[in-house]
Amino acid sequence: GENVEQHPSTLSVQEGDSAVIKCTYSDSASNYFPWYKQELGKGPQLIIDIRSNVGEKKDQRIAVTLNKTAKHFSLHITETQPEDSAVYFCAASNYEAAGNKLTFGGGTRVLVKP
Amino acid sequence: KAGVTQTPRYLIKTRGQQVTLSCSPISGHRSVSWYQQTPGQGLQFLFEYFSETQRNKGNFPGRFSGRQFSNSRSEMNVSTLELGDSALYLCASSLDRIPNSPLHFGNGTRLTVT
Repeated sequence: GENVEQHPSTLSVQEGDSAVIKCTYSDSASNYFPWYKQELGKGPQLIIDIRSNVGEKKDQRIAVTLNKTAKHFSLHITETQPEDSAVYFCAASNYEAAGNKLTFGGGTRVLVKP
Repeated sequence: KAGVTQTPRYLIKTRGQQVTLSCSPISGHRSVSWYQQTPGQGLQFLFEYFSETQRNKGNFPGRFSGRQFSNSRSEMNVSTLELGDSALYLCASSLDRIPNSPLHFGNGTRLTVT
């Protein structure tokens, strides 16, 4: 089955700096890659996603890039703010074969220092 | 629009007991998925229901079961509880299939088995 590796496990950045989180996946058939943000005491919240036919997607300060050949994708957060502090999860899915099943990475705890 | 509602928020059970968790999806959503979140194993897919039918199942023992009612509300049941079942159980709903219908997570039920 699919396996998703996520790095780093923790990331500390100064407010205003950029943060980058990287994920690799094993199943070349995976075609959907969402990113979730989880704050303390809450469930994961979708922040951005990308399909396999797209190389890059941007939404304000957040961007995701996908390299299908290398089977890795990354989350980029620019101009970080204290409210960006949370745990971030990447995930992968072959939605045509597995429906709504997501395979998650291990998570990255991001701390933005004011 | 109300989000995904999970009840109860917290549960404490004893080994060997059984437990039922409840999930009310976002109004109009027909797909409900369940995930287990633990510090050691991360977020793992349990199963997904769509229109009262199980559409996919993860690699969990048969002690974990679920069902979905005609109003899309879902329950999951864990029988013969083990200490290792202590986890945050998350429910996610969507209109239909990803990626056209992203998953929306509830805040989870924290189960502690003693």
